[in-house]
Amino acid sequence: DTAVSQTPKYLVTQMGNDKSIKCEQNLGHDTMYWYKQDSKKFLKIMFSYNNKELIINETVPNRFSPKSPDKAHLNLHINSLELGDSAVYFCASSHTLAGVGDTQYFGPGTRLTVL
Amino acid sequence: QQQVKQSPQSLIVQKGGISIINCAYENTAFDYFPWYQQFPGKGPALLIAIRPDVSEKKEGRFTISFNKSAKQFSLHIMDSQPGDSATYFCAASIERNDYKLSFGAGTTVTVRA
Repeated sequence: DTAVSQTPKYLVTQMGNDKSIKCEQNLGHDTMYWYKQDSKKFLKIMFSYNNKELIINETVPNRFSPKSPDKAHLNLHINSLELGDSAVYFCASSHTLAGVGDTQYFGPGTRLTVL
Repeated sequence: QQQVKQSPQSLIVQKGGISIINCAYENTAFDYFPWYQQFPGKGPALLIAIRPDVSEKKEGRFTISFNKSAKQFSLHIMDSQPGDSATYFCAASIERNDYKLSFGAGTTVTVRA
């Protein structure tokens, strides 16, 4: 059983479009995250939600809007896509937010290509 | 700016050799240092982690060495195997804060048979 799943795995779209990436975790975790991995493999956190509440919002353009309908889901909606948004987006989850050394479990990633 | 600096960017090692990856940090408030392993097309997965109250932690062929005074930590992969070929990320966080992982830039390890 997949612990953290994301859909779609690949997303190719035109500049200016709006797209969404969905994430679900079946681990019973309270905290979920979105990361962006650029072409040089650098991983940077974008958002974190704890019990559906936004906790971390790292200087991300407001074209990116996360939505957490429940603890098991954290979706990422991106408006007016730009070329620079092309990257691999990872969803992750952990048991608690400020838990001592909590492991973050990552999904398989969504490769977004903006043409 | 990057809070954790990682080197080298890539390394090639022969099967059975030792792979060494180094990381350095500036923020003395960091108190949790995990290493993540990422295979091509997959998400990162926790490999091993250390806290600054110990200087070394070993799990199988993987060892973390931690030097608090130098603000450096490193990953040693002993008896490297082709299946270890992956990208390795060091990271750091402040556990009692908002648990935000700051990642290093990653090291791509290739183990030649």
